[in-house]
Amino acid sequence: DAKTTQPNSMESNEEEPVHLPCNHSTISGTDYIHWYRQLPSQGPEYVIHGLTSNVNNRMASLAIAEDRKSSTLILHRATLRDAAVYYCILRGEYGNKLVFGAGTILRVKS
Amino acid sequence: NAGVMQNPRHLVRRRGQEARLRCSPMKGHSHVYWYRQLPEEGLKFMVYLQKENIIDESGMPKERFSAEFPKEGPSILRIQQVVRGDSAAYFCASSPYGVDGGLGGKLFFGSGTQLSVL
Repeated sequence: DAKTTQPNSMESNEEEPVHLPCNHSTISGTDYIHWYRQLPSQGPEYVIHGLTSNVNNRMASLAIAEDRKSSTLILHRATLRDAAVYYCILRGEYGNKLVFGAGTILRVKS
Repeated sequence: NAGVMQNPRHLVRRRGQEARLRCSPMKGHSHVYWYRQLPEEGLKFMVYLQKENIIDESGMPKERFSAEFPKEGPSILRIQQVVRGDSAAYFCASSPYGVDGGLGGKLFFGSGTQLSVL
């Protein structure tokens, strides 16, 4: 699986938008971009995924660069419950597992 | 529809004992994945199973660890003769199809089993 690069940590104020970046310069044409998050003492939770076009769901938005070498997870209004480790993962269309990196620790201040 | 169920939530074993961790996937899911998270470390893939078959065990330690996903019943991760270094959180995930199902292969994770070896 191709590698991703994320900042170690980020901080946000409550009620403000958060943009979590991810670089994946070696992405292949069939790799899906997945985002998961892990709250303290819990299992990872699916957030969103996409292939080429930007994606929106009730949790977040995913903005994918035109060349697909980077993407940004957007939380529109951060809450204290969004404090977690966020993982950006590439998953090959015919690969069979998610390979987790170190992720970004998101801290949300009230 | 209940989520992925893992039990026990906490398991304490003495060195040399066996640990059996159970994972019931979501209804209709036939793909199961096991991950291990050591203290202060990231999630490491261990094994990927479909019903009655091990598909990818590239992350499994060569000795003492085994996994199964029988036709009926939960998936089991078995650790024989546990050592202190096995202390970790073990997570199971399931999906209705593999990533080549055409939808990118979203995984659903359980809450994990925290194994402590004394």
